[in-house]
Amino acid sequence: GESVGLHLPTLSVQEGDNSIINCAYSNSASDYFIWYKQESGKGPQFIIDIRSNMDKRQGQRVTVLLNKTVKHLSLQIAATQPGDSAVYFCAETYNYGQNFVFGPGTRLSVLP
Amino acid sequence: DSGVTQTPKHLITATGQRVTLRCSPRSGDLSVYWYQQSLDQGLQFLIQYYNGEERAKGNILERFSAQQFPDLHSELNLSSLELGDSALYFCASSVDGRENNEQFFGPGTRLTVL
Repeated sequence: GESVGLHLPTLSVQEGDNSIINCAYSNSASDYFIWYKQESGKGPQFIIDIRSNMDKRQGQRVTVLLNKTVKHLSLQIAATQPGDSAVYFCAETYNYGQNFVFGPGTRLSVLP
Repeated sequence: DSGVTQTPKHLITATGQRVTLRCSPRSGDLSVYWYQQSLDQGLQFLIQYYNGEERAKGNILERFSAQQFPDLHSELNLSSLELGDSALYFCASSVDGRENNEQFFGPGTRLTVL
């Protein structure tokens, strides 16, 4: 499928290393945040979410960190694998899901 | 496969025309979302429906409209098309439309306006 966002910032990591993808969100009133993964030619896929009353949440090989003071969100992927190569988007929302706002995305490239 | 289906997969049309994109949510999901993804604007939320009723509205142009039918499928209508409307249009569904319910995205419809 055609690539979306050909000029996205790119993060290149070696297979097996940890990856950290960052996102600055815009609305201090946002209370719920999601990370999505989008592989070429496919729709976004939910990875992990976090509410504003938390500052860390862990999933399988992924961790999301939230710093409300500086409106910053990060996604950590442990032991990055070739299948992790994709574009990663953060999304924010507030007021019980009114109007999701997505970040511009980061392309993760896993090197063999 | 997310369980969300979208038709058509590709659509090529001319400026000024009108098109309809169709989405069938996952079985059991009551809420449908529409998103537009373009190279310059990124991924943008357009509109959300829950059980036939509009629940939230995002950056949807007045030339665009949507509806969710009693069988829960949804259609996005795009009219007076402009070159800038060329994009991927995604539909997503979730169980009940609350913010913390995971959204499952369909494969998208690629619209090209010539």
